Amino acid sequence: DTGVSQDPRHKITKRGQNVTFRCDPISEHNRLYWYRQTLGQGPEFLTYFQNEAQLEKSRLLSDRFSAERPKGSFSTLEIQRTEQGDSAMYLCASSFLQGGEKLFFGSGTQLSVL
Amino acid sequence: QQPVQSPQAVILREGEDAVINCSSSKALYSVHWYRQKHGEAPVFLMILLKGGEQKGHDKISASFNEKKQQSSLYLTASQLSYSGTYFCGTESPTSYDKVIFGPGTSLSVIP
Repeated sequence: DTGVSQDPRHKITKRGQNVTFRCDPISEHNRLYWYRQTLGQGPEFLTYFQNEAQLEKSRLLSDRFSAERPKGSFSTLEIQRTEQGDSAMYLCASSFLQGGEKLFFGSGTQLSVL
Repeated sequence: QQPVQSPQAVILREGEDAVINCSSSKALYSVHWYRQKHGEAPVFLMILLKGGEQKGHDKISASFNEKKQQSSLYLTASQLSYSGTYFCGTESPTSYDKVIFGPGTSLSVIP
């Protein structure tokens, strides 16, 4: 069990650029979640997957955000045409397939949009 | 839909006790508790499932009142290592396995 890993740890980009983050969940976990966290706030739900199927995407999420989980393994989160308001910590978490299971979080990707 | 937490912040001296509350306007399937230290990922503390129960390990315990849609986290004889931000996360019966987090309670334990 190597835990949930995220790459990169930090990303600095200019407004208008596209960025992509990667998350590798714990291997036997079926569920994978993406959250966004800004300073002083709790993690905000973005989207989640069961294997390769994306089950739900937050209604608050702009169309500039897209996530994939090909083959039900790692996942990518892409933000197109980044804006300064996208600056945040992007957290990935995984869990076993069922409700009431704890989430294992990665260390996150800190995005700064200049 | 986001749960409400209180207090927003608390400062304790080592050895003192604290209670952090979490409440929801919707029916709950479960309540999660996590602690996050500055610059680190949230770390799981415990989950309470509907059925009204109390859980605990070491000097940290929690209760879940399903009818009131509330949970409380109890920290007794606090240690310096307890400092951090505590988040409750809730799952509803209609969309369980999607955890929605509250805004957090900042806990500082001082010598």
